[in-house]
Amino acid sequence: EAGVAQSPRYKIIEKRQSVAFWCNPISGHATLYWYQQILGQGPKLLIQFQNNGVVDDSQLPKDRFSAERLKGVDSTLKIQPAKLEDSAVYLCASGRTRISTDTQYFGPGTRLTVL
Amino acid sequence: GQQLNQSPQSMFIQEGEDVSMNCTSSSIFNTWLWYKQDPGEGPVLLIALYKAGELTSNGRLTAQFGITRKDSFLNISASIPSDVGIYFCAGFSSGSARQLTFGSGTQLTVLP
Repeated sequence: EAGVAQSPRYKIIEKRQSVAFWCNPISGHATLYWYQQILGQGPKLLIQFQNNGVVDDSQLPKDRFSAERLKGVDSTLKIQPAKLEDSAVYLCASGRTRISTDTQYFGPGTRLTVL
Repeated sequence: GQQLNQSPQSMFIQEGEDVSMNCTSSSIFNTWLWYKQDPGEGPVLLIALYKAGELTSNGRLTAQFGITRKDSFLNISASIPSDVGIYFCAGFSSGSARQLTFGSGTQLTVLP
């Protein structure tokens, strides 16, 4: 079974620029998560989808971050405009069922550097 | 939001030694999870705990769900070089059952 795929693996941008990340979850997984992991910290949930609907986006900075999961499969996370403090690894994870406590399988992440 | 206090922040041990790390919270957690993250990779689930007092093993790894539901520990016995990495505790709290909260991690280095 293929794991969670993410691209790009690395991205360097200047502040105020826009950036987008892509995630392809494990086939058939209903739930998709985006996490932000700042260096030296654990991942922090940004948004959770069940199929193509948003379940929880309470920690997503909605003035600059947006995410969508069209057709309930892959997903994109966008930052517009980026700030220096957005430098982090952005992890995508997927879960097999709609149950939030089901095992989450993480992708390798996209490392974003904002200069 | 919920916070998990994980300690120690880093550990340097000799190959073959046992290691222990723990996680505490001021809030009650319904589920405790332990993940390992290698450089350039996402976290991988090692052990899941669902009941207070539960003790679960996965090979050389043993983890326990604290009786108070506010703490958990992970033990690694007879460490080997591939145990190197960052270990995270994580959990679902009673107050935020949908969000997985992570600790800040324990960086483990195994010296030959």
